[in-house]
Amino acid sequence: NAGVTQTPKFRVLKTGQSMTLLCAQDMNHEYMYWYRQDPGMGLRLIHYSVGEGTTAKGEVPDGYNVSRLKKQNFLLGLESAAPSQTSVYFCASARGHQPQHFGDGTRLSIL
Amino acid sequence: ILNVEQSPQSLHVQEGDSTNFTCSFPSSNFYALHWYRWETAKSPEALFVMTLNGDEKKKGRISATLNTKEGYSYLYIKGSQPEDSATYLCAFLDNAGKSTFGDGTTLTVKP
Repeated sequence: NAGVTQTPKFRVLKTGQSMTLLCAQDMNHEYMYWYRQDPGMGLRLIHYSVGEGTTAKGEVPDGYNVSRLKKQNFLLGLESAAPSQTSVYFCASARGHQPQHFGDGTRLSIL
Repeated sequence: ILNVEQSPQSLHVQEGDSTNFTCSFPSSNFYALHWYRWETAKSPEALFVMTLNGDEKKKGRISATLNTKEGYSYLYIKGSQPEDSATYLCAFLDNAGKSTFGDGTTLTVKP
């Protein structure tokens, strides 16, 4: 029972490069979320999805895109990475108002 | 942007002290309020899910209350232990599925 799996765990990018972070959950949850966590701050919502084929913007969506083509997967894309996007990224999934289950995080550095 | 605020930002107590934290949130479009415990280098773990005004939840020495009309929740820890040291996060869920976290209260319990 894997829960929420994030891939990759670490990545270093150069400014202007693109990449996709993958989040996969095996709990059949409807809701999925992408957050970023920066020093001294809590979790800030980037984008979220309440079901397959639907996505919505969170607090800090600029510079990111997402897709939810399959219920179990939620992809976060950076089209042109910037140093300001250096952060730890967490994915989470949930059923309705139940607590969110988090992945282990992806540490992303952009030089 | 929704304002979910937690206070205090940090707290240092002695082993055996009792303590409490506050989470304030918008009183409109309320769906649920979550409390999480977040230890360094780990993912957040759910403590409580609160959905109804007047809810009181308890797990061991930790308890929480909810007031949706005035937009606040309290988390109480009775007889703090060093293993209670962590960051405690609250998250507001609106009825569209959007999740907004506070910046957390970091608790340090000294032996």
